[in-house]
Amino acid sequence: KAGVTQTPRYLIKTRGQQVTLSCSPISGHRSVSWYQQTPGQGLQFLFEYFSETQRNKGNFPGRFSGRQFSNSRSEMNVSTLELGDSALYLCASRRESGKLYNEQFFGPGTRLTVL
Amino acid sequence: AQSVSQHNHHVILSEAASLELGCNYSYGGTVNLFWYVQYPGQHLQLLLKYFSGDPLVKGIKGFEAEFIKSKFSFNLRKPSVQWSDTAEYFCAVTPMNRDDKIIFGKGTRLHILP
Repeated sequence: KAGVTQTPRYLIKTRGQQVTLSCSPISGHRSVSWYQQTPGQGLQFLFEYFSETQRNKGNFPGRFSGRQFSNSRSEMNVSTLELGDSALYLCASRRESGKLYNEQFFGPGTRLTVL
Repeated sequence: AQSVSQHNHHVILSEAASLELGCNYSYGGTVNLFWYVQYPGQHLQLLLKYFSGDPLVKGIKGFEAEFIKSKFSFNLRKPSVQWSDTAEYFCAVTPMNRDDKIIFGKGTRLHILP
């Protein structure tokens, strides 16, 4: 079974630009979560999508947005990039959200550098 | 607010030493608990998990963790570490409420000296 895939793997942008990251979950997984990973801050939760609806949201500004498509693939968008947005962005999928929690599987991440 | 604390940010050990990484969470209800590991240049992967039952859980590569509900702790242990255990370790908690958000600690960087 193919794992979680993320594209692109590396991105270099300049301040003020916007960026779109993509995540394809494991087949059959309907929940996709996004995290920002930076040294010293660990994984900070951005949002979770389930069946094309945002189910949970972290404490990030509105410049960070996402969406999920009917095939469960998800995209994350960051507008008006700032230097502090430089990070590894991780996507994780799980079979279903709700009371019965299933293990999350992580992708390799997209390394975003903002100059 | 719900949170997860990993008290050791950096740990350096020699091979064959015993390991214990601390994890405490703040949530009074039922929780699911996890330890994830990120080896250099690799994906985050699940090391072990606790859902219910025996509070002592065993994971891959000889790791184990004990859930102590009264202490809100889920410490990770390994009796004898190897150089290949060099990695970053993350504790995570899912409160079993309607929110169902997964909360990660800030991670512990473990460096094993050969």
